[in-house]
Amino acid sequence: AQSVTQLGSHVSVSEGALVLLRCNYSSSVPPYLFWYVQYPNQGLQLLLKYTTGATLVKGINGFEAEFKKSETSFHLTKPSAHMSDAAEYFCAVSKQSAGGTSYGKLTFGQGTILTVHP
Amino acid sequence: NAGVTQTPKFQVLKTGQSMTLQCAQDMNHEYMSWYRQDPGMGLRLIHYSVGAGITDQGEVPNGYNVSRSTTEDFPLRLLSAAPSQTSVYFCASSTGPGRGQETQYFGPGTRLLVL
Repeated sequence: AQSVTQLGSHVSVSEGALVLLRCNYSSSVPPYLFWYVQYPNQGLQLLLKYTTGATLVKGINGFEAEFKKSETSFHLTKPSAHMSDAAEYFCAVSKQSAGGTSYGKLTFGQGTILTVHP
Repeated sequence: NAGVTQTPKFQVLKTGQSMTLQCAQDMNHEYMSWYRQDPGMGLRLIHYSVGAGITDQGEVPNGYNVSRSTTEDFPLRLLSAAPSQTSVYFCASSTGPGRGQETQYFGPGTRLLVL
């Protein structure tokens, strides 16, 4: 079974400061990894994903994440926080399936609420 | 394209009542899913469908039924609502071939309160 742990349910940063949201996963097979963002009273929107290839993945709104297999981590970073980044962020893992049986079923972490102070 | 749409946006039910949460997508996606979101627990998969006429259970299926008669629609039915089903429900869709790397597109959610 696969699982996702997000360290810190709440993270607070100042505008212009580094954003670091932590995600660790467990999976018996090489995983696909995702970060989604949820703005208040909205659905989830994909920020970025890692499937294969380069382990440093760039996403929308200046976010990036690095897949580190040895550490089973996929931490999300942004060099300089903006007020508009305030939202809840979810890390998710999908089981890789050569036979096409995973159907993109996602296992989510519990979420991290990011607050950005002026 | 409207993407993934959900109705209603908000619903209050009494214990024991039934209702159907509607979900539709206009992207011709094969795969559709229902998740529930509860504070501190992230999103959990309720049911999913890999095409018209084909559905299967996810992580937390008890108390919910689904069917998929068309590619576009994937309704979620609560036959006898319980307070434990108070949650925010999200519908999602994605394209094939189902090997796990697909992006899922989420609807805006339905907030359900069961009294």
